[in-house]
Amino acid sequence: AQSVTQLDSHVSVSEGTPVLLRCNYSSSYSPSLFWYVQHPNKGLQLLLKYTSAATLVKGINGFEAEFKKSETSFHLTKPSAHMSDAAEYFCVVTSFFGSARQLTFGSGTQLTVLP
Amino acid sequence: DTGVSQDPRHKITKRGQNVTFRCDPISEHNRLYWYRQTLGQGPEFLTYFQNEAQLEKSRLLSDRFSAERPKGSFSTLEIQRTEQGDSAMYLCASSFPDRAASGNTIYFGEGSWLTVV
Repeated sequence: AQSVTQLDSHVSVSEGTPVLLRCNYSSSYSPSLFWYVQHPNKGLQLLLKYTSAATLVKGINGFEAEFKKSETSFHLTKPSAHMSDAAEYFCVVTSFFGSARQLTFGSGTQLTVLP
Repeated sequence: DTGVSQDPRHKITKRGQNVTFRCDPISEHNRLYWYRQTLGQGPEFLTYFQNEAQLEKSRLLSDRFSAERPKGSFSTLEIQRTEQGDSAMYLCASSFPDRAASGNTIYFGEGSWLTVV
C-alpha cells in the first residue's frame, strides 16, 4: 500500500525566510507525488506534481519540490515566505483503489508565516 | 467560474436527519470523486465515478451513505440518519481519465461542511 508521512504538523517561519515542509512516502512502485495547499475554508489547490520526469519540480507561487528516491522523500521548499503562504499543505501519493487511481493524503502541515 | 462547485457550502443538521450534497464537476471531466476530511486530518477517499458508473467505494462509505451521478454530469452524496461522527467536510473532485502512468490532475471543489448536532 502507498502512504505518505508529513514529518511536521506545524511549521512557523518569518516572512522572507525559506520554507521547508518535509514529506516521506512509501510506495511499492514508482509513485506519482503531489503537494496540495488548502487555505482556510477553501478547497484544495494543486501546487505541483511529480510524475517520473524531472526530479526537481517547480510549482506555482515559487514553490518547488525534489523527488529523492534513495531517501523516499518529496520535500516542499520556497526560498522566501510570503504572508499569503500561510495555509495547510498536504503531501499526496497516487494509489490505486481497485481500478481507480486515487489520492492518499498525508495528515497535513500547517504553515504559519510571522511578520 | 469553471471549477468544481459544491452546494451547500455549509450544513447544520440534527442527528438522525438526512442531508444531501451536490457537486458539479468541471465540464468534460468524466471522472468524479468524493472525499471526506475531518478536522486535523487529510482528505480520505470515499467513492469514484466514471461517467454515471460508480466504480469504487471505500469501506468508509457505510450503508447510510449513497452517491449517484445519474447522467454522468453532476453528482449527489446523501447521508441518511446522520450521526455526530459524520461531521466533516465533504470534498468533491473531478478529472479527465488517466493517461499512462502519470494520470491527470484531480481538481477539488471548496467542500461542503457538515455539522451534526
